[in-house]
Amino acid sequence: KAGVTQTPRYLIKTRGQQVTLSCSPISGHRSVSWYQQTPGQGLQFLFEYFSETQRNKGNFPGRFSGRQFSNSRSEMNVSTLELGDSALYLCASSLALGTYGYTFGSGTRLTVV
Amino acid sequence: SQQGEEDPQALSIQEGENATMNCSYKTSINNLQWYRQNSGRGLVHLILIRSNEREKHSGRLRVTLDTSKKSSSLLITASRAADTASYFCATGLQGGSEKLVFGKGTKLTVNP
Repeated sequence: KAGVTQTPRYLIKTRGQQVTLSCSPISGHRSVSWYQQTPGQGLQFLFEYFSETQRNKGNFPGRFSGRQFSNSRSEMNVSTLELGDSALYLCASSLALGTYGYTFGSGTRLTVV
Repeated sequence: SQQGEEDPQALSIQEGENATMNCSYKTSINNLQWYRQNSGRGLVHLILIRSNEREKHSGRLRVTLDTSKKSSSLLITASRAADTASYFCATGLQGGSEKLVFGKGTKLTVNP
């Protein structure tokens, strides 16, 4: 069974640009969450989606947004990129988190120059 | 802010030895999970222990949970070089959210 697929794997953007990252969850998983990982702050929760509805949002500025489609695929968008947005962005899907935990994708490494 | 704090931050052992990592957290939880991450790649789910469980095993892994002390430990027995990775604890909070709050991790190095 295919895992969680994140595209692209690597991305280099310039300050002020915007970026869209994509995540395809495991087939049948309706819950998708996004995390940002940096050396300084570690793993920080961004959003959580279930059946196209955002159920939770982390403590990030409004430049960070996301959505989930009817096929459970999810995208996150970061507008007006800043140098501090350079990070590994991880997407995770779950069948039933309280029982099985998350399956993570390999991440998108975003570098802002 | 981090909910979980792993201890130690780094651990170096020889192949065949056991590795123990500890995690402390602050608020009430539904469950606690351990994940492994190899060198900047995605996280791999290792084990989930519910708040009403005290101990769980999976292969060479043993996890304990003490909710009165708000702490958990992960024991890897008979370690292998392939176990070299960063290990994170993550807490699933009460309230129906799927959000996980991660600690900063323990970097484990297993020397052949």
